[in-house]
Amino acid sequence: DAGITQSPRHKVTETGTPVTLRCHQTENHRYMYWYRQDPGHGLRLIHYSYGVKDTDKGEVSDGYSVSRSKTEDFLLTLESATSSQTSVYFCAIGTSRTDTQYFGPGTRLTVL
Amino acid sequence: GENVEQHPSTLSVQEGDSAVIKCTYSDSASNYFPWYKQELGKGPQLIIDIRSNVGEKKDQRIAVTLNKTAKHFSLHITETQPEDSAVYFCAASVYGAGNTPLVFGKGTRLSVIA
Repeated sequence: DAGITQSPRHKVTETGTPVTLRCHQTENHRYMYWYRQDPGHGLRLIHYSYGVKDTDKGEVSDGYSVSRSKTEDFLLTLESATSSQTSVYFCAIGTSRTDTQYFGPGTRLTVL
Repeated sequence: GENVEQHPSTLSVQEGDSAVIKCTYSDSASNYFPWYKQELGKGPQLIIDIRSNVGEKKDQRIAVTLNKTAKHFSLHITETQPEDSAVYFCAASVYGAGNTPLVFGKGTRLSVIA
């Protein structure tokens, strides 16, 4: 998985609780992405980062926030989890030299 | 924004036969088209990609073709094997001065029957 880890790998939480997912890379890549995967929707972009403290919204950003205080870590926070945020979340990384992206192993989140 | 359509959603082939998955895109500015394979419980894995200055690319049993005029690209897998069974995603992006977000198709579940 190209030096990408995600934690936790599985999480079950209750509606209304805050949740933070972590993506950690050892590749020193500038770009990091959060996508969610749902049946019938493929992968959709939530937020991405093009450098430390530089982030932008994606197609499905409502209800999510992100932070990137150092190159290797990109955090995704659900301020108040809802059942519609039950999904599998994937982190991806990329460099500025190419258009290629590599994906992490994913985090399965269930919001009850 | 970009929209990527992928067909078929499911595909079953006999071992040894060929499989073809097709995608269309809407943004003529898109210039990078990767294909990912996703096995159960794992993250998507890049298997092949093509850029808009190339019409076809091959890597052993896998090939991708691109028709910029019609705005469609296809994945071809020859001599399929049971280990090719997985979900395949196409994607598109506009690569410029840096890495850019991918827009994905909804996926094709390929089953190779032994």
